[in-house]
Amino acid sequence: SQTIHQWPATLVQPVGSPLSLECTVEGTSNPNLYWYRQAAGRGLQLLFYSVGIGQISSEVPQNLSASRPQDRQFILSSKKLLLSDSGFYLCAWTPDRAEAFFGQGTRLTVV
Amino acid sequence: GENVGLHLPTLSVQEGDNSIINCAYSNSASDYFIWYKQESGKGPQFIIDIRSNMDKRQGQRVTVLLNKTVKHLSLQIAATQPGDSAVYFCAEKRDQAGTALIFGKGTTLSVSS
Repeated sequence: SQTIHQWPATLVQPVGSPLSLECTVEGTSNPNLYWYRQAAGRGLQLLFYSVGIGQISSEVPQNLSASRPQDRQFILSSKKLLLSDSGFYLCAWTPDRAEAFFGQGTRLTVV
Repeated sequence: GENVGLHLPTLSVQEGDNSIINCAYSNSASDYFIWYKQESGKGPQFIIDIRSNMDKRQGQRVTVLLNKTVKHLSLQIAATQPGDSAVYFCAEKRDQAGTALIFGKGTTLSVSS
């Protein structure tokens, strides 16, 4: 069966520090991969999605970037975090034409 | 831009009542819709989905209705239980390879005993 791993679960980082969140999927190949951000009490904002290695679509201009170095690995990064980058970050994957499966999320607090 | 939204941010019901959560979408090109449940501090969990060639789909205690004419989606939960308390999101996408899943803002369902 397919599983999705996302880490770390929580992260506290100072303003101006770099960020790297990693997401991996097991049990499938060529998944569509997504990064979403959820502010407290709000909906899920799509940040990036990828349909293949090295293919990244950015939905919202911001202080973040994404990379897909391997088929089942999706990384969310920042060179310098801002206070406004705080939130709940969720990685997800979908096979084509089906629902998305989510990781457990990373709670990022920028201080 | 086009988006998927929910009519009410909160819904409070008594245990045993039926709940109806509504969602309006504006992208007429969307043809695949999903309802998710999110408990505090966790990722969203799939509840039920429906494609645009259907107007109703039933699961265990849940029913999704799709009205393409008015671009409206609803989730009905029968005999609501305290464990159903969560935030519910509808999501939409075009049913083809490589398109992204877009979420609405969410409705918080509170079930009291």
